[in-house]
Amino acid sequence: GESVGLHLPTLSVQEGDNSIINCAYSNSASDYFIWYKQESGKGPQFIIDIRSNMDKRQGQRVTVLLNKTVKHLSLQIAATQPGDSAVYFCAETYDAGGTSYGKLTFGQGTILTVHP
Amino acid sequence: DSGVTQTPKHLITATGQRVTLRCSPRSGDLSVYWYQQSLDQGLQFLIHYYNGEERAKGNILERFSAQQFPDLHSELNLSSLELGDSALYFCASSADYGYTFGSGTRLTVV
Repeated sequence: GESVGLHLPTLSVQEGDNSIINCAYSNSASDYFIWYKQESGKGPQFIIDIRSNMDKRQGQRVTVLLNKTVKHLSLQIAATQPGDSAVYFCAETYDAGGTSYGKLTFGQGTILTVHP
Repeated sequence: DSGVTQTPKHLITATGQRVTLRCSPRSGDLSVYWYQQSLDQGLQFLIHYYNGEERAKGNILERFSAQQFPDLHSELNLSSLELGDSALYFCASSADYGYTFGSGTRLTVV
């Protein structure tokens, strides 16, 4: 469904810990998923993406896991740093045909706070 | 710099007024998407344009309209503004996949 944004979940970790942020998505037809980081007053910043034909993808310090059976995404951040503190959103979309993807539907977001 | 340019960055206007927000997509991106982000609603999809044509509408009020021009820039027009329209407005552009967001326009209606 659409992002609802009320009472965002929070995750508080110590610097150096690993962080796991979870997201449930709603549309079985979605075939492309993205994690975004948003800092206060800024636009969403791409972190990592994954297509539905994969169940795991790794980037630099980040890993995304996709479980299509239960419509669940997770973002793992290794060795979390204070600069990782932000709101993290998952987003889902689908191939709208031609060369265009459809709208992004965002999850509600999770506030990550990293303590030095 | 994401490559997506939004202007103005900040806008303060009175209720009942009309404003225009502008978005220039990344070079080569044909799709432009508009989103509204308010404190209690998260990121809400408004409208999607692809190469000048409207592709999808989301939760966009009738007081709001948008268009995409031949040079691919897009404008979001908000009219008869109400206090509740105060929000961050983002546009994103994409090629075949991958979305890049601009830094947003913060609209304050007083």
